[in-house]
Amino acid sequence: EPEVTQTPSHQVTQMGQEVILRCVPISNHLYFYWYRQILGQKVEFLVSFYNNEISEKSEIFDDQFSVERPDGSNFTLKIRSTKLEDSAMYFCASSEEQRTNQPQHFGDGTRLSIL
Amino acid sequence: RKEVEQDPGPFNVPEGATVAFNCTYSNSASQSFFWYRQDCRKEPKLLMSVYSSGNEDGRFTAQLNRASQYISLLIRDSKLSDSATYLCAPGFQKLVFGTGTRLLVSP
Repeated sequence: EPEVTQTPSHQVTQMGQEVILRCVPISNHLYFYWYRQILGQKVEFLVSFYNNEISEKSEIFDDQFSVERPDGSNFTLKIRSTKLEDSAMYFCASSEEQRTNQPQHFGDGTRLSIL
Repeated sequence: RKEVEQDPGPFNVPEGATVAFNCTYSNSASQSFFWYRQDCRKEPKLLMSVYSSGNEDGRFTAQLNRASQYISLLIRDSKLSDSATYLCAPGFQKLVFGTGTRLLVSP
């Protein structure tokens, strides 16, 4: 069964540094998403991406964050000048279409630890 | 009112039991509804979509009540492997997750 893959599985970074989290969505999917989950809290939407542009973003997704699809397969989340509170699991997801009851499929996440 | 509300549990049930979870949502414009399960420190995994007429997948039955804005999940004949956190997720372009309901199935 096709799956969303994410790298790295764990990223440890010093506060203030930049990180890039990578995702390879399912190949025939057109819609891509990033979510995060701070330890012990709920999964929160960050951003959705379609046709090479952001379609929706949350309040969390401020100027510190950016997304990109640099080639035909990768989808990246860049976090500039990381803060301690950016420590979380970051999940990438993709869906084939955006129609009713079209599910999103999640990758197994990148654990980001900011020191 | 929170966007999505779930009883955090935990629900402790013996193997073979039937257990039901409810979830209420505030956005009446929500068009899609899902149940995901999440194991500790893992990604959400799709359990099932929830259709207006209700739907069943093996031991799992999901119901949607649009008028009251709640979704339910019924698990019959619980297995040890059902132990997980069950996340309700209404949404369309983005999923809005609840905090989840933790289920512990014991021998």
